[in-house]
Amino acid sequence: AQTVTQSQPEMSVQEAETVTLSCTYDTSESDYYLFWYKQPPSRQMILVIRQEAYKQQNATENRFSVNFQKAAKSFSLKISDSQLGDAAMYFCAYNRRGQFYFGTGTSLTVIP
Amino acid sequence: DAGVIQSPRHEVTEMGQEVTLRCKPISGHNSLFWYRQTMMRGLELLIYFNNNVPIDDSGMPEDRFSAKMPNASFSTLKIQPSEPRDSAVYFCASSGNLGTLYEQYFGPGTRLTVT
Repeated sequence: AQTVTQSQPEMSVQEAETVTLSCTYDTSESDYYLFWYKQPPSRQMILVIRQEAYKQQNATENRFSVNFQKAAKSFSLKISDSQLGDAAMYFCAYNRRGQFYFGTGTSLTVIP
Repeated sequence: DAGVIQSPRHEVTEMGQEVTLRCKPISGHNSLFWYRQTMMRGLELLIYFNNNVPIDDSGMPEDRFSAKMPNASFSTLKIQPSEPRDSAVYFCASSGNLGTLYEQYFGPGTRLTVT
């Protein structure tokens, strides 16, 4: 069975600094997709970034980037130049043929 | 595109009453998911449909919960009878499998309170 683990229930970062959120997953498949979602206090789930497993290059979206280590089944999210608006719950997710699995989330606090 | 639409946004009901949550997925998406989110259990997948057919309902907590998708543009999640422990935020999400559109798009959620 596929599982997604986020081992950091809470993280904090100073404004303008960089923070990395961890995610590991368990799968026997070779073709799948990985995502990071952000859930601010408004509770709307917002897609932050996605990574196709067949791509070796790490995905990047502005200040957000991932470190995808396929062999280690690791998919961490790096947020650079953190802003107050980045404060939210972050969920890592795995998708294989339409089956989605979410981690338990990491609550990120941004300190002014 | 209006995104995934859910109604109502908030629902307050008394224990024992029937509750119906509604969802309109993004046009063209052929997969639809219902999730429940609580502080204690986090985000739980209740059921998902593909091409209007329920594929996996193993997350449905008990027989009081039922979900339907009569057509590609509408789905309901019904709780009958409702109980206080059903209080949660319920999300609907849709996904397409055309090209690289494998991410899920979430609706704004319905906050259910059962008293």
